[in-house]
Amino acid sequence: AQSVAQPEDQVNVAEGNPLTVKCTYSVSGNPYLFWYVQYPNRGLQFLLKYITGDNLVKGSYGFEAEFNKSQTSFHLKKPSALVSDSALYFCAVRMNTGFQKLVFGTGTRLLVSP
Amino acid sequence: DVKVTQSSRYLVKRTGEKVFLECVQDMDHENMFWYRQDPGLGLRLIYFSYDVKMKEKGDIPEGYSVSREKKERFSLILESASTNQTSMYLCASTGWRWDEQFFGPGTRLTVL
Repeated sequence: AQSVAQPEDQVNVAEGNPLTVKCTYSVSGNPYLFWYVQYPNRGLQFLLKYITGDNLVKGSYGFEAEFNKSQTSFHLKKPSALVSDSALYFCAVRMNTGFQKLVFGTGTRLLVSP
Repeated sequence: DVKVTQSSRYLVKRTGEKVFLECVQDMDHENMFWYRQDPGLGLRLIYFSYDVKMKEKGDIPEGYSVSREKKERFSLILESASTNQTSMYLCASTGWRWDEQFFGPGTRLTVL
């Protein structure tokens, strides 16, 4: 069965500092990995995905994520955080064969202080 | 600009009422999904549909049903609302490649 772990409920970072939001996954086979962001009282917005190819994936709003197969991780990163990055971030995984449902982590709240 | 819309942003219903949540997408997507989101639990899949009139149960289908009569519309039905169905409900859609899902703005349902 597929699963995703986001070990931190909240991440605090000062504006201008680099940020990392952690995600580890468990799936039998090769994964498709996704990051979504949710602003207050809004739906989820797609940030980036890993399907195949380069392990470093670049996405919207300056975010990037690194796929690490040996550590089964897909951490979200940004070199310089903005206050407007404060939101709830979800990692999700599914297998890359046929239909497999998307399994979401429990979410990590990012708080960027001025 | 692609869009998934949901019929209501906020909804308040009474226990025992029948509740309809509507979702419409304009991307000609084959696949549509209903999730509920609760703090600390992330998103949990209730039902999904991969074609008109087709539906499959997700992880938590109990107390819910769905309807997909047209490709662009996917409805979630609470036959007899209960207080434990108070939640944020999110609709999503994706195309034939089962790639990234596009989400609606959500419906925050309160059952009193």
